[in-house]
Amino acid sequence: EAGVTQFPSHSVIEKGQTVTLRCDPISGHDNLYWYRRVMGKEIKFLLHFVKESKQDESGMPNNRFLAERTGGTYSTLKVQPAELEDSGVYFCASSLGQGGVSPLHFGNGTRLTVT
Amino acid sequence: AQSVAQPEDQVNVAEGNPLTVKCTYSVSGNPYLFWYVQYPNRGLQFLLKYITGDNLVKGSYGFEAEFNKSQTSFHLKKPSALVSDSALYFCAVGGYNKLIFGAGTRLAVHP
Repeated sequence: EAGVTQFPSHSVIEKGQTVTLRCDPISGHDNLYWYRRVMGKEIKFLLHFVKESKQDESGMPNNRFLAERTGGTYSTLKVQPAELEDSGVYFCASSLGQGGVSPLHFGNGTRLTVT
Repeated sequence: AQSVAQPEDQVNVAEGNPLTVKCTYSVSGNPYLFWYVQYPNRGLQFLLKYITGDNLVKGSYGFEAEFNKSQTSFHLKKPSALVSDSALYFCAVGGYNKLIFGAGTRLAVHP
């Protein structure tokens, strides 16, 4: 089975610009998660989709971040406008069952650098 | 609130020696505990989990972890380290439909 794929693998943008990250989960996985790791720190939860619905978006930093999941398939995470502190690695993960009990399958991440 | 602590930024061990990567947790109720590994430029890979049952959990690549309720710990172990085990290791606690991760521990295995 194909794994979780994320695009792009790297993105370098200037402060104030917009960036959109994309995640394609494993087919059939209803649960989709976004996480972020800022340099050397813990991997922080951003939000959780069940199919196309946002189940939990308590980790979203502010309203500059917008996540969508079209038709319960792929997901996008848009940052507009980007700030320096948004730099980090953004991971997407999917799971068949509940993510708190079932293992998550992670993509390779998108490394975002805001200059 | 749930949380996880990995007290060591880096662990160094010689090839062939046993290794331990430490993790302590804080949860209300029964913990669901996980270990993941990240190799360079790759995503996190699931190693093992503890939900209930035997306190010693066996996982992928010869790793195991010991759940200790009294010490609220879930240390990752391997009897004999390989150079190829060098990577970043993350402990996580589950529940409420998501995982809460620690900051990670870099394991360096030297020939």
